[in-house]
Amino acid sequence: EVQLVESGGGLVQPGRSLRLSCAASGFTFDDYAMHWVRQAPGKGLEWVSGISWNSGSIGYADSVKGRFTISRDNAKNSLYLQMNSLRAEDTALYYCAKGFTMVRDAPFDYWGQGTLVTVSS
Amino acid sequence: QSVLTQPPSASGTPGQRVTISCSGSSSNIGSNTVNWYQQLPGTAPKLLIYSNNQRPSGVPDRFSGSKSGTSASLAISGLQSEDEADYYCAAWDDSLNGSWVFGGGTKLTVL
Repeated sequence: EVQLVESGGGLVQPGRSLRLSCAASGFTFDDYAMHWVRQAPGKGLEWVSGISWNSGSIGYADSVKGRFTISRDNAKNSLYLQMNSLRAEDTALYYCAKGFTMVRDAPFDYWGQGTLVTVSS
Repeated sequence: QSVLTQPPSASGTPGQRVTISCSGSSSNIGSNTVNWYQQLPGTAPKLLIYSNNQRPSGVPDRFSGSKSGTSASLAISGLQSEDEADYYCAAWDDSLNGSWVFGGGTKLTVL
């Protein structure tokens, strides 16, 4: 059974940093691209970032480019999102999502339950 | 403002057929396939339709998808109360380095 478990969320002040993690199990992690998708309270889905199976292809939404960094450790079956210079508008539930294939342009077939990030002073 | 455009709401009675539209542009829907996600209240999204009209294992055939040009549609036939959820369309966008874009979501109410 595919499982994606996010962690690392919490309350953080504007301008500070936070690192999210996603522990994957139930599939061969290094065969698939992975993504972060967020959902602000009461709002829709927004793709944040994606990474190919071997970290050779990485992309970011314009809203986070230059502030967030996605990475993965295939040996640990883990996905990460380093978030710097956080803003109030980054407040959201952050989902880890598995890609259908090893490349970034394949849809997401499994999602975690999310970790909540709140940016507030 | 979402890149893909969906109606904010839709409704139907049990047994009815409802459709939800999704409009994009040449860089996303016009050149790539469309996927649909269902988000039941308080839960994570679930893949409902991929590659315009393919259903993952376990998704009932009451759900179907189609695409024409820069628009797509999700159809739900034989509407059931458990179909009440938010529905999102998504597509890969070829502009710049490539990114995923979503519709703003459609809240489906079963009357």
